[in-house]
Amino acid sequence: GDSVTQMEGPVTLSEEAFLTINCTYTATGYPSLFWYVQYPGEGLQLLLKATKADDKGSNKGFEATYRKETTSFHLEKGSVQVSDSAVYFCALRRQGSGGGADGLTFGKGTHLIIQP
Amino acid sequence: KAGVTQTPRYLIKTRGQQVTLSCSPISGHRSVSWYQQTPGQGLQFLFEYFSETQRNKGNFPGRFSGRQFSNSRSEMNVSTLELGDSALYLCASSTLTGKDAEAFFGQGTRLTVV
Repeated sequence: GDSVTQMEGPVTLSEEAFLTINCTYTATGYPSLFWYVQYPGEGLQLLLKATKADDKGSNKGFEATYRKETTSFHLEKGSVQVSDSAVYFCALRRQGSGGGADGLTFGKGTHLIIQP
Repeated sequence: KAGVTQTPRYLIKTRGQQVTLSCSPISGHRSVSWYQQTPGQGLQFLFEYFSETQRNKGNFPGRFSGRQFSNSRSEMNVSTLELGDSALYLCASSTLTGKDAEAFFGQGTRLTVV
């Protein structure tokens, strides 16, 4: 079945450091790929998405490129802030056989801690 | 624009009881999905409803069921609760169904089974 693999952390960085969170996936067909962020006590917020190979999603200084050849969707940010501290989830979604789509398949989440 | 609203936010139930959780999607959204989040298993897809029809279902036992009303509001029911059902249940809505659809999540209902 489909799966998403990402480092769980915690990942601890200093403010203004460069961030990379690796995400690789296993899926048949051509899934769409997503990064979601979850702040303490909150639900998930969509951070960015990419729907086809070589697409780059970007939002709030975060970027990720859909790499089909390496089945990866790594999240990057050039300069992190304390407010970026949260749990980040990589996810994929495939088109289903019945006209709709399968549910989102999530990675385990990466806990990011940014120290001032 | 109001976000996805889930009620109640917290619930404590006894093993063997049943529970109903409610989700009001963003206005105009016709797709509602449910997810279970636990520390051990992470986020797992339960089911999706679109225009009152279940479009897809995850790998959960039949004790987990749901429905969607004509106003797109959705309910999820869990019967014969087990300790392992303790989790954060998240509802997500989107305008369409499809692999590209952006899902907007509520804050969740924290269910504790004792």
